Amino acid sequence: GQQVMQIPQYQHVQEGEDFTTYCNSSTTLSNIQWYKQRPGGHPVFLIQLVKSGEVKKQKRLTFQFGEAKKNSSLHITATQTTDVGTYFCAGYTGKLIFGQGTTLQVKP
Amino acid sequence: EAGVTQSPTHLIKTRGQQVTLRCSPISGHTSVYWYQQALGLGLQFLLWYDEGEERNRGNFPPRFSGRQFPNYSSELNVNALELEDSALYLCASSDGTSDVKNIQYFGAGTRLSVL
Repeated sequence: GQQVMQIPQYQHVQEGEDFTTYCNSSTTLSNIQWYKQRPGGHPVFLIQLVKSGEVKKQKRLTFQFGEAKKNSSLHITATQTTDVGTYFCAGYTGKLIFGQGTTLQVKP
Repeated sequence: EAGVTQSPTHLIKTRGQQVTLRCSPISGHTSVYWYQQALGLGLQFLLWYDEGEERNRGNFPPRFSGRQFPNYSSELNVNALELEDSALYLCASSDGTSDVKNIQYFGAGTRLSVL
C-alpha cells in the first residue's frame, strides 16, 4: 500500500544551526502537508504544497515539493528553542497518509 | 470559531473494560478521523468517517470501532482494553476530501491509561 517515509526520526541541533527533514512517498501525491506537534500538544497544520516544484516560505521555514510530486522537505534556518517538536509530513492521494515524524531537539 | 473538541481529556481504565471517546468537529466539517499515538511514537491511523459512513479503517483489531452521528460528531469505542491501548487518541476533522480541501485540524486528544 501507499507509504510515506520520513527521515531522520530524531535530530538534535545546537541553537542557531539549520535543520532539514525529508519525506518520500511510494506514489505520486496530489498534495503534501506539514504539521508540527509541540511536546505535550497535538499536531497543528503548517502548510500545504500542491504544485510540482513548489517552494513556500514561512519566516525561517522553507518547504519544497519535488518535481515528481513524490518527495518533500522542510528546512529550518537558524533553529530556535521554540522550534522544538515533532514535524510530520502527510501525503494525499484520496486519503492523507502521515509520515512517522521527525523529532527535533534544540540545545540552547 | 470553535476548534475540534474531544472528551474526556484524560481517562484511566483497567484491562478488559470498555471505553468511549467523543469528538466534535469544527462546524461545517463533515469528515472525522481518529488516530492513536502511543508515547513517543507517530500517528497510527484508526478510522475515517465522512457523511456518516466509515470510509477507511487502519490496521487495528475489530474491538476498535466507532460511528459518526448526523451532526458529524463521532465516537470511538474500544472494547476489552489491553495495556498496549494506553495512548493519546487524537481526533481530526476536515472540510472536504478533494485534492485541496483535505487539511486536518486536530483536537487536543484524550489521554487513555490502561492499568
